[in-house]
Amino acid sequence: ETGVTQTPRHLVMGMTNKKSLKCEQHLGHNAMYWYKQSAKKPLELMFVYNFKEQTENNSVPSRFSPECPNSSHLFLHLHTLQPEDSALYLCASTSVGLNEKLFFGSGTQLSVL
Amino acid sequence: DQQVKQNSPSLSVQEGRISILNCDYTNSMFDYFLWYKKYPAEGPTFLISISSIKDKNEDGRFTVFLNKSAKHLSLHIVPSQPGDSAVYFCAASEETGGFKTIFGAGTRLFVKA
Repeated sequence: ETGVTQTPRHLVMGMTNKKSLKCEQHLGHNAMYWYKQSAKKPLELMFVYNFKEQTENNSVPSRFSPECPNSSHLFLHLHTLQPEDSALYLCASTSVGLNEKLFFGSGTQLSVL
Repeated sequence: DQQVKQNSPSLSVQEGRISILNCDYTNSMFDYFLWYKKYPAEGPTFLISISSIKDKNEDGRFTVFLNKSAKHLSLHIVPSQPGDSAVYFCAASEETGGFKTIFGAGTRLFVKA
């Protein structure tokens, strides 16, 4: 069983749809992240949750809405997305502390039509 | 403005030779640097890191060099193997900066047999 699991692996949605991405970590970590990877661009940090509290919102449009019900689960709710939102969405987790490396899930490849 | 830059989108190397991947950063507050490796359809995985108090860290075939005055780091892989073909992301963070890790755009390494 992988440490960080993301579902679904692939998602195609229309601009008027509402969908959710799910992330679950089995590593006992207490910080979880959403990153966006667009082609030929750096991984963009979207949201950070530390002990279920959102500590970072990197100027992300409100059509992306995160939810962290507990330290093991993280959701990204999507609504009225734009075609330019098509990207790979990566979830990651780590333990609070200094110099902690991130553990990533396999990502959700999102296509917005 | 990108704080972590990987100016080479791709690199091709012959098996057995050395691969050198480069990374530049602009934020002088960064004091911890990491390299992640990503295969297609998988999330990035941690490869090697270095703290700003060091200028070199070695782990098997992988060595990371840090030049703080030039704000430059590099990853050396020797000898390169076909299985090393992947996208390599440089990342940086601040020890006291909370939980933000900033990534570069990645360099795709091709190791030819």
